[in-house]
Amino acid sequence: DIQMTQSPSSLSASVGDRVTITCRASQGFSNYLAWYQQKPGKVPKLLIYAASTLQSGVPSRFSGSGSGTDFTLTISSLQPEDVATYYCQKYDSAPYTFGQGTKLEIK
Amino acid sequence: EVQLVESGGGLVKPGGSLRLTCAASGFTFSDAWMSWVRQAPGKGLEWVGRIKSKTDGGTTDYAAPVKGRFSISRDDSKNTLYLQMNSLKTEDTAVYYCAIGDYVNYWGRGTLVSVSS
Repeated sequence: DIQMTQSPSSLSASVGDRVTITCRASQGFSNYLAWYQQKPGKVPKLLIYAASTLQSGVPSRFSGSGSGTDFTLTISSLQPEDVATYYCQKYDSAPYTFGQGTKLEIK
Repeated sequence: EVQLVESGGGLVKPGGSLRLTCAASGFTFSDAWMSWVRQAPGKGLEWVGRIKSKTDGGTTDYAAPVKGRFSISRDDSKNTLYLQMNSLKTEDTAVYYCAIGDYVNYWGRGTLVSVSS
């Protein structure tokens, strides 16, 4: 099975910073990759699917890129409401493994 | 409006069984591939398994930690998804979410399963 590894595991950045989270797969696959945001005590929210397609209603400061084994989620200008844990998930074929998560805090 | 409502969680002893139910509404349930995702307290998201629509074969796939112990089924006449959990272990303690699709745009609120002696 393909394993998904996110880096970093945690991240502290200032408001307005550009933030990048990486998701690396143990084997390459097509662009069936999603990114989620989960705020404390809340249900996860879909941000991006197909590696780079922004889900409707998600602010344009979020973007996704990558293919093969390396994928990235970028927040172009960090806002206070972006404090959350972010997860990637592969869904090309089962098992639809999640990354272990990246906890993002404001410095 | 899409709604997914999980039920059936609770406290169970190791080795015991539990069946979770997800009542779906607001979309064509019979056409949907449905998944279960869990989250242990203070931990990350873990994909549990998925069932395809009957038109796509109705087959199931499971994560390695639950394969052979958990079983997903669906009743399209009742718009209901099930997760039968047998031989439960303490490490199965988690909030279990019902979800639509492969990547998840809609989540239920979750139901807590606690496995403890």
